[in-house]
Amino acid sequence: QSALTQPPSVSGSPGQSVTISCTGTSSDVGTYNHVSWYQQPPGTAPKLMIYGVNNRPSGVPDRFSGSKSGNTASLTISGLQAEDEADYYCNSYTGSDTWVFGGGTKLTVL
Amino acid sequence: QVQLVESGGGVVQPGGSLRLSCATSGFTFINSAMHWVRQAPGKGLEWLAFIQSDGSSQSYADSVKGRFTISRDDSKNMLYLQMNSLRAEDTAVYYCAKDYNFNWCVEYWGQGTLATVSS
Repeated sequence: QSALTQPPSVSGSPGQSVTISCTGTSSDVGTYNHVSWYQQPPGTAPKLMIYGVNNRPSGVPDRFSGSKSGNTASLTISGLQAEDEADYYCNSYTGSDTWVFGGGTKLTVL
Repeated sequence: QVQLVESGGGVVQPGGSLRLSCATSGFTFINSAMHWVRQAPGKGLEWLAFIQSDGSSQSYADSVKGRFTISRDDSKNMLYLQMNSLRAEDTAVYYCAKDYNFNWCVEYWGQGTLATVSS
């Protein structure tokens, strides 16, 4: 149950696009299309942004999108806004009713 | 709307025990699987435990297996986490979370309760 690998930090200017990667193994991201992404502003609980690799829950802006290739999943945020500044975590199902999170990525909007 | 309210956190000595509770409302609890997730101070999220909607099976992260027990009381719409043999590295905010049925992820989160293991 090793954590998925995410870059510690990414940054972008308002209006730009940023992509956060999430690398796992053939036992998790590579096998299951059950990758989700969470947004966590400082001092608050996480919020589901993407599930099932590329599905957005109701109310999440379409500026947020997800994808997966092999053992790596990605979250892309287009048209960056100041309110997007937060920590982002990926998560993957790993079989037998177990899950694993990524180490988290701090997004800074310049 | 979905509400998850954790309680039971506090300060406990190494080797001690704590029982966390999560009061739920705004959804049909008996139809929902549930999770516990924690976050150590300044660190990332760590998935801990899962219980099926009917309570028939539970699963755990290796880091807490044999020490923590997840359970539920459907008559009270409550979720619990019994934590035994606590260590300093168990110090964290503990989140109760609702599973996103048939989507294999966490859908909603509580605000968390802080458990501190210290002598």
